[in-house]
Amino acid sequence: NAGVTQTPKFQVLKTGQSMTLQCAQDMNHNSMYWYRQDPGMGLRLIYYSASEGTTDKGEVPNGYNVSRLNKREFSLRLESAAPSQTSVYFCASSKGLDRTQETQYFGPGTRLLVL
Amino acid sequence: QKEVEQDPGPLSVPEGAIVSLNCTYSNSAFQYFMWYRQYSRKGPELLMYTYSSGNKEDGRFTAQVDKSSKYISLFIRDSQPSDSATYLCAMSPNAGGTSYGKLTFGQGTILTVHP
Repeated sequence: NAGVTQTPKFQVLKTGQSMTLQCAQDMNHNSMYWYRQDPGMGLRLIYYSASEGTTDKGEVPNGYNVSRLNKREFSLRLESAAPSQTSVYFCASSKGLDRTQETQYFGPGTRLLVL
Repeated sequence: QKEVEQDPGPLSVPEGAIVSLNCTYSNSAFQYFMWYRQYSRKGPELLMYTYSSGNKEDGRFTAQVDKSSKYISLFIRDSQPSDSATYLCAMSPNAGGTSYGKLTFGQGTILTVHP
């Protein structure tokens, strides 16, 4: 049971390049999330998917797109990377069924550097 | 003004000390309050959660919520070097509606417990 996995672990891009961050979970969770973490800013929600087939914008969606490929996988795409997107990206998942508590389980993160 | 404010520290204490970590918030709709622990270069993991006001204890950890003051705390008793990590508070409004499952995080407090 691997939990939430993310690939790649580290990536360097040049301004204007595109890339896709991959995320998969094996806990049969319905909801999945993408966050970015910057020094002094905490975790900020980029996009989330409450259930398979749905996606919604979070706090900082500009410059990103997402795809909920199936129940297990949720990818984040940067179409034209900018230095402001240098960050650590975390994927998370939660059951999406228990309305009393939504424990989110996080992946190990992808460190992205845009030059 | 951010919805959730957390002193980023860093906080350095000797082994065995009592540690107090705090967050204030402005959104009175928040009902669920969580503390996540994040070790260096790892994803956050849920440490404690409370619903509405009150205290919750789990071993050396106590979470406190004061909704009237919009203030939450995490106390760590008999702190250990293994407690050295970044501690993030997170909050969520009532389950349901468009905010379902979405968390708002504080900036995180870096804690070091030295032997």
